[in-house]
Amino acid sequence: NAGVTQTPKFRVLKTGQSMTLLCAQDMNHEYMYWYRQDPGMGLRLIHYSVGEGTTAKGEVPDGYNVSRLKKQNFLLGLESAAPSQTSVYFCASSRLAGGSYEQYFGPGTRLTVT
Amino acid sequence: DAKTTQPNSMESNEEEPVHLPCNHSTISGTDYIHWYRQLPSQGPEYVIHGLTSNVNNRMASLAIAEDRKSSTLILHRATLRDAAVYYCILRPYSGGGADGLTFGKGTHLIIQP
Repeated sequence: NAGVTQTPKFRVLKTGQSMTLLCAQDMNHEYMYWYRQDPGMGLRLIHYSVGEGTTAKGEVPDGYNVSRLKKQNFLLGLESAAPSQTSVYFCASSRLAGGSYEQYFGPGTRLTVT
Repeated sequence: DAKTTQPNSMESNEEEPVHLPCNHSTISGTDYIHWYRQLPSQGPEYVIHGLTSNVNNRMASLAIAEDRKSSTLILHRATLRDAAVYYCILRPYSGGGADGLTFGKGTHLIIQP
């Protein structure tokens, strides 16, 4: 199993440009998440999905949109990038084990907005 | 999620055991104790979780105090690869599984060769 994969690994955008980050998981997990991590900080939840066709806002959703058209994929979109969105973005999926949910993370996408 | 308190950093020697403490005095009866770690330039990695009893897996052991107000993650024989930030996170019973994780500052574990 590849686990959780993210595309691309790195990206540089100019202010106002748009892009989509792709997350894919091959573990048949229902729940998927997008986080961002700024330097020296913990991860913060952007959006999450409890199943195909459903999405919900997390702690810091402004400036981002998401879609979950297929169970295995979770897309994060930036419609008009801003320098404040420079960050490392992590995708995760989760499974129920031992009474509680374990999350499995991808390797991250490092995004710089100039 | 209920609050946890961890030391900012700890240092240990390679091939020695490491005990990483976590205080969670406001834990509720249905909160699970989870541990994750984040190696440099990588995504977080699930380590272990438990409710009341001590737990062991291939990566680590989790020792939970009888009153559940504290817990300790035990790495039995640290290697350089174990140098990471370790996060102790409380998670509600499975009904709250849809929520994202709330990461605090964690403990930065330094391993000396």
